[in-house]
Amino acid sequence: GAGVSQSPSNKVTEKGKDVELRCDPISGHTALYWYRQSLGQGLEFLIYFQGNSAPDKSGLPSDRFSAERTGGSVSTLTIQRTQQEDSAVYLCASSLVRTAKNIQYFGAGTRLSVL
Amino acid sequence: EDQVTQSPEALRLQEGESSSLNCSYTVSGLRGLFWYRQDPGKGPEFLFTLYSAGEEKEKERLKATLTKKESFLHITAPKPEDSATYLCAVQGAYNQGGKLIFGQGTELSVKP
Repeated sequence: GAGVSQSPSNKVTEKGKDVELRCDPISGHTALYWYRQSLGQGLEFLIYFQGNSAPDKSGLPSDRFSAERTGGSVSTLTIQRTQQEDSAVYLCASSLVRTAKNIQYFGAGTRLSVL
Repeated sequence: EDQVTQSPEALRLQEGESSSLNCSYTVSGLRGLFWYRQDPGKGPEFLFTLYSAGEEKEKERLKATLTKKESFLHITAPKPEDSATYLCAVQGAYNQGGKLIFGQGTELSVKP
């Protein structure tokens, strides 16, 4: 597609429920990133996928968070047993290659509200 | 630990009033410094990337510069449509996977 696509754009859920957020990267981009933007805070790295390599999960805040990338394209971020502190905007980015000059292009994000 | 600090947190300008935004960083080997613009309800939009001290890049009313410790985003004769949050981020040489470390952003408001 023309840009990074994320769905849903908004998600309201109850505490304790599981949620899935989807990211469709720019066609041909091999690297995919998830970030979280909480109110009043900067973007925080969560997880990174590059081709068939093992993902870098170093930014995931707890074991309730997981992500997968199927077929080297679409990625799903899953949050289990959601908590109120999980409320944030979840942003996905993709880049062409993992090099010093890679530029990450972002989607519009999914705004998650946990009641 | 890689770190980015942006100042000021908020900046209010009159149309045509030039100013600068600051991004101070500490990183173990800089791969790249990135500037993004973010409008409310949207994802960050890429503006510039700088790779070495002394480098400068321009786009319309914006000019980004880089030293070994900080970057400036200069806005010349701003217009109301330049109102947005400007984000600075660094990519360290020892970052696994090229993840970006972001500052908190500077919220710019330009009044007509």
